[in-house]
Parts: sequence; C-alpha cells; structure tokens
Amino acid sequence: DIQMTQSPPSLSASVGDTVTITCRASQSITNYLNWYQQIPGKAPNLLVYAASSLQSGVPSRFSGSRSGTDFTLTISSLQPEDFATYFCQQSYSTPWTFGQGTKVEIK
Amino acid sequence: QVQLQESGPGLVEPSQTLSLTCDVSGYSISSGNWWGWIRQPPGKGPEWIGYIYYSGSIYYNPSLKSRVTMSVDTSKNQFSLRVSSVTAVDTAVYYCARVADSGYYFDYWGQGTLVTVSS
Repeated sequence: DIQMTQSPPSLSASVGDTVTITCRASQSITNYLNWYQQIPGKAPNLLVYAASSLQSGVPSRFSGSRSGTDFTLTISSLQPEDFATYFCQQSYSTPWTFGQGTKVEIK
Repeated sequence: QVQLQESGPGLVEPSQTLSLTCDVSGYSISSGNWWGWIRQPPGKGPEWIGYIYYSGSIYYNPSLKSRVTMSVDTSKNQFSLRVSSVTAVDTAVYYCARVADSGYYFDYWGQGTLVTVSS
C-alpha cells in the first residue's frame, strides 16, 4: 500500500494568515493526489484534485502543488470557515489511501 | 443534485455482520460511475473500503477483503456493504460516496452513519 504522511498533525493560525499543509507519498503517485476538508460531524468535501486542480465552487484562496512525491495545500488569507481538518488522498493505485489529517485551529 | 444517504443499524454485536445501504438520488447509479465505501474510526483518518461499478465489478481493500461484500441494485438505485465477523476495531463512521467521472476522486459523499460494535 502507498503510505501518505501528512504534516503537521495540527496547527494554530489566525484569520488572514497563509497556511501550508504537506503530504508526502511513500512512492511516486504522479499527480494522483486529492485534498479534502472535513468540518466536525460532516463528510469530507473535495477541495483539490489531481494535485492542483480546484474543484468547482471552492474558493480561489485554496491551491495545491506538487514537487516529486511531496504535495502541498496552501490556504491564503485564512477565513473563519476554514478552521477544519484537511486530508490528502492518493488515487494512483488501489487501495486508495488517506493521510492522517491536519487540524487547523484558531490561534 | 446528486445526493447519497446511508442507512443501517447503528449498533452491531461482535462477531455479527454489519450491513449498510446507500440510497442515491438525483443521479442514476447506472450512468457509469464507480460507487465507494469509506470508513473513519473516531479521531482517525479515513480508510477506503472499496468501490463497485453498476455492472458489478468490484475493488476491495485487501486488508478487509476476506470480510467485505459489496453489491449494487440498479432497480432501487442503491448499493450496499456487508462486513462480517465485526470487532470493536470496525467501529467507525461509514460513508458512501460517488467516484467522479474521471475515476480518481470522490466528488459526492453521504452524510455518514456511525456504526458501533459492542455487546
């Protein structure tokens, strides 16, 4: 199975900050990397697919990038509704696997 | 608008079989997408259980393959999950979801249902 290692596990930030979350794959997954946002008690919501493509309806302050097997989700100008947990997920090969999540908390 | 809704018992006794159904509305399950199940133990990351095509083709997570069965009922526009011989480690929120047309991510999810394994 491909292991997805997310960091940091949690972070504290203020409204207006820029936040960066990283996900590292245990092997090459080319661009088959997706990012989801999960608000407590809700299902995950797709933000970015194929490493850097923004899902329809997602604010442009969210962006994704790739460098080799390292993937980054950036949230520019953090808004109150962005305080949530974020997961990466690889779909290069089955079984699809998720990262353990990054919880973004209010400072 | 595509909507998915899980249903099934919220409490299952150890060694019994967990059974869940996902009802799909606003979209025909036979339209050509794959349909998946994901679970998330309390406080942990999601785990992919597998996905099924409307024709019956299936991919299971090898870690669960011996205990998992998925099926699809196109006449009812729903698909189902069964997990046998459950233990406490199977306690989780179970989600059903649609795999996007591209085939590489989940674009619509159900709200999730908590299944607790306990006597």
